[in-house]
Amino acid sequence: DVKVTQSSRYLVKRTGEKVFLECVQDMDHENMFWYRQDPGLGLRLIYFSYDVKMKEKGDIPEGYSVSREKKERFSLILESASTNQTSMYLCASSTPDRVSYEQYFGPGTRLTVT
Amino acid sequence: AQKVTQAQTEISVVEKEDVTLDCVYETRDTTYYLFWYKQPPSGELVFLIRRNSFDEQNEISGRYSWNFQKSTSSFNFTITASQVVDSAVYFCALSGPQGAQKLVFGQGTRLTINP
Repeated sequence: DVKVTQSSRYLVKRTGEKVFLECVQDMDHENMFWYRQDPGLGLRLIYFSYDVKMKEKGDIPEGYSVSREKKERFSLILESASTNQTSMYLCASSTPDRVSYEQYFGPGTRLTVT
Repeated sequence: AQKVTQAQTEISVVEKEDVTLDCVYETRDTTYYLFWYKQPPSGELVFLIRRNSFDEQNEISGRYSWNFQKSTSSFNFTITASQVVDSAVYFCALSGPQGAQKLVFGQGTRLTINP
C-alpha cells in the first residue's frame, strides 16, 4: 500500500527557531513535494524535488529551504520560523510514470509558530 | 499562468441530497490534466480522479460523477445521494503536460452533509 509519512502531526515552535519537517515515502517515487495549506488559499507549492539532491522552487519558496539526500526522504527547513509560517504543511510524492500521474499525500503537519 | 477557481467556499446539504462542486480552470497548455482530491477530517488528501484534456467523456464511479467541459473550462464534481461520510474538503487541481508535476490547486470547497 502506498505510504507517505510525516514526522509530526502537530508542532509548536517559537519565533526564530530552526524547524525541520520530515517526509518519507516508501513507493520509490522520484518526485516529492512540499505544500502549505491555508484557509481560502488551497494548497500552494513551496518546493519540489524530481531526484536526489535536485530541487526546484515552487510558488512560495521564501523563508524555506529543502534537502533531499536520499530518494525516500524530503525535508522542509524553516531557517528562522516566523508567525506567518503557522500553517498546515503537506508532503506528497509521485512518479513520472505517464500511466499513474497522481500525487500521494501524507497526513500533514500542523505547525504553530508563537 | 495556470489557475483553478472553486467559487463555493462551503456547501451544506442534508443527507441523500445530490450536490455539485464547481471547478473552473485557466491554462494556455493544450495538453493538461485535471484532478479532484478529497481531504477528510484526518487531513490526508485522497486522490479521486484524473482527467486529461483530450478526454471529455464524463465519468461515473458509484455515487460520484464528473463533468468535464472544455468549452467552459470546467470540471465539475457531483455526488449523488450524499452521505455523512462524504463530508470533507474537496480540491480541484490542474497540471501541465507532465501530469502530476507541479499541481495548481483551487481554494477548496468544504462540504458538510447533515444527517
